[in-house]
Amino acid sequence: GAVVSQHPSRVICKSGTSVKIECRSLDFQATTMFWYRQFPKQSLMLMATSNEGSKATYEQGVEKDKFLINHASLTLSTLTVTSAHPEDSSFYICSALSRGSSYNEQFFGPGTRLTVL
Amino acid sequence: GESVGLHLPTLSVQEGDNSIINCAYSNSASDYFIWYKQESGKGPQFIIDIRSNMDKRQGQRVTVLLNKTVKHLSLQIAATQPGDSAVYFCADTPSGYSTLTFGKGTMLLVSP
Repeated sequence: GAVVSQHPSRVICKSGTSVKIECRSLDFQATTMFWYRQFPKQSLMLMATSNEGSKATYEQGVEKDKFLINHASLTLSTLTVTSAHPEDSSFYICSALSRGSSYNEQFFGPGTRLTVL
Repeated sequence: GESVGLHLPTLSVQEGDNSIINCAYSNSASDYFIWYKQESGKGPQFIIDIRSNMDKRQGQRVTVLLNKTVKHLSLQIAATQPGDSAVYFCADTPSGYSTLTFGKGTMLLVSP
């Protein structure tokens, strides 16, 4: 099956710094990528949908200036958490779709654990 | 799936038992339903899906049942194994080109 990777798998940063998380589709071209956030013992919450070459669509309540998403190529999307604070500590998961696929055919990455001190 | 809660329901079973994990969804327009397995510290892994024109679908050791009348979905795992221990999420979407809504999840603990 299709493989999606994330880097880094874990990151610890100081409050006020920015952190970039990469999501890559390794063996297919991802025209659409999704970014989710998951707090401990909770479900996945969609943050934003990004289509290659266009601006991301953010879900209600997600600050687009704080969570910058760039989907500059068909195999890479990045999520930058700007001026991170302890409440941004979470598990961030991306997923990817190839062209023409239905949204139920998303392939998920392994997640990135962000801890903000 | 329904809105996120602050705790994770847990189902504890013995190895070899059959497990049934339930999920309620709220969007009556949902047309696709998916079960995912998430192991600790990993991303969700697709298990099985079902469309609204079906009420049952079987895979290898897993069966999904859909009752649209009461907006209920279940995942049955036969002969549960310790490797099945994980959190299981249902997700639904009203169409193939709409975003997924994840349910709250159930933690399955399988003891040998």
